[in-house]
Amino acid sequence: EVQLVESGGGLVQPGGSLRLSCAASGFTLSTYWMHWVRQVPGKGLVWVSRVNSDGSATTYGDSVKGRFTISRDNAKNTLHLQMNSLGAEDTAVYYCAREFVEGSRQTDVFDIWGQGTMVTVSS
Amino acid sequence: QSALTQPASVSGSPGQSITISCTGTSSDVGRYSTVSWYQHHPGKAPKFMIYEVSKRPSGVSNRFSGSKSGNTASLTISGLQAEDEADYYCCSYAGSGTLVFGGGTKLTVL
Repeated sequence: EVQLVESGGGLVQPGGSLRLSCAASGFTLSTYWMHWVRQVPGKGLVWVSRVNSDGSATTYGDSVKGRFTISRDNAKNTLHLQMNSLGAEDTAVYYCAREFVEGSRQTDVFDIWGQGTMVTVSS
Repeated sequence: QSALTQPASVSGSPGQSITISCTGTSSDVGRYSTVSWYQHHPGKAPKFMIYEVSKRPSGVSNRFSGSKSGNTASLTISGLQAEDEADYYCCSYAGSGTLVFGGGTKLTVL
């Protein structure tokens, strides 16, 4: 079964750091571009970051640029999100998502999502 | 990267059709043909229903259709069913490798 499972969420103090992980199973992570998307409870989805298949290219949303770093360990079929300088505004459920590939073409669409991991930034 | 604009809520009766709009700018929706739509039942993973404005992935009912005119994309659901009740999000490529979602629309099936 194709599956993504996030971990690493929890309670962190303002200004702190947290590292999220996303374990992929049922497919070869190295052939897919991957994303992080977050959702404040009761609010909408917000795109956070993307990494290409070999980890050499990354992009970020304006709200996290310079604070968050996306990376991947293809040998371990795992995606990461290092989050630094966390603030209350970063409190959200964080989803990892796989980018849909049509033929050999990237599509900017997410076809597989994890169930999410909750990050709470509070003192 | 300002969020795309969606109505907060729409509603319809079973069997009816509804349309959800998604308004962006000439830098995102108006510029690129990479608008997608997601259905999200709370507590579950979002599911993509439409991609590249009007394409349906395998397994998605043909009751779901998408279109775009200028800076506004639309999702139409025909023959509304109770299980269609969910939150719906649009998403567009916004240039420089970034993506932007809409604020989400809660669909209520009366």
